Amino acid sequence: QSALTQPASVSGSPGQSITISCTGTSSDVGGYNYVSWYQQHPDKAPKLMIYDVSNRPSGVSNRFSGSKSGNTASLTISGLQAEDEADYYCSSYTSSSTPYVFGTGTKVTVL
Amino acid sequence: EVQLVESGGGLVQPGGSLRLSCAASGFTFSSYWMHWVRQAPGKGLEWVSRINGDGSSTTYADSVKGRFTISRDNAKNTLYLQMNSLRAEDTAVYYCATSIVGADGHWGQGTLVTVSS
Repeated sequence: QSALTQPASVSGSPGQSITISCTGTSSDVGGYNYVSWYQQHPDKAPKLMIYDVSNRPSGVSNRFSGSKSGNTASLTISGLQAEDEADYYCSSYTSSSTPYVFGTGTKVTVL
Repeated sequence: EVQLVESGGGLVQPGGSLRLSCAASGFTFSSYWMHWVRQAPGKGLEWVSRINGDGSSTTYADSVKGRFTISRDNAKNTLYLQMNSLRAEDTAVYYCATSIVGADGHWGQGTLVTVSS
């Protein structure tokens, strides 16, 4: 099972919006609405930001939103803030023998 | 408040064994599937294994199948990962988590396993 494909880095200025893509196949992202997004600051554990493609856990800012089209899921961060600078990973349920797969990770830089 | 605290990491020689523990609190442990996820230094996340609530069903990544064993003790609210025949490529921070793609995605702080001679 190959990792889902994410851009290595995305950057934006404070207040701007950025979008991170997560591309898989019909066996994972495209086949199920079980896509999550995690934020990870350096030397910290991942934090759930989005689940089931577009749902936010309680306590997560509404500046974070998720969507999916075909085999590609996306995370949009609007009103970019300095504290959003972190690594972001998508994850998906898969139909393979390994039931979960993560994305390659995207480093978000706030300019 | 959900808390997951991993322990048991350390330095081990190639071919050696190690058992990780994850102490859970703040939720009904026996009702949840539990997972182990690892992250090699400077690398991305890799799902390792999962176990259902009563311990009767387990699944493993191909990279650890036959070498790692996941288990749980619901009386102690503790999740385990027995790691045998360790290789250099198993070096990583190991996290326990309540969910990978669901709403209740809580993760511990991780424990570092280093496989080196």
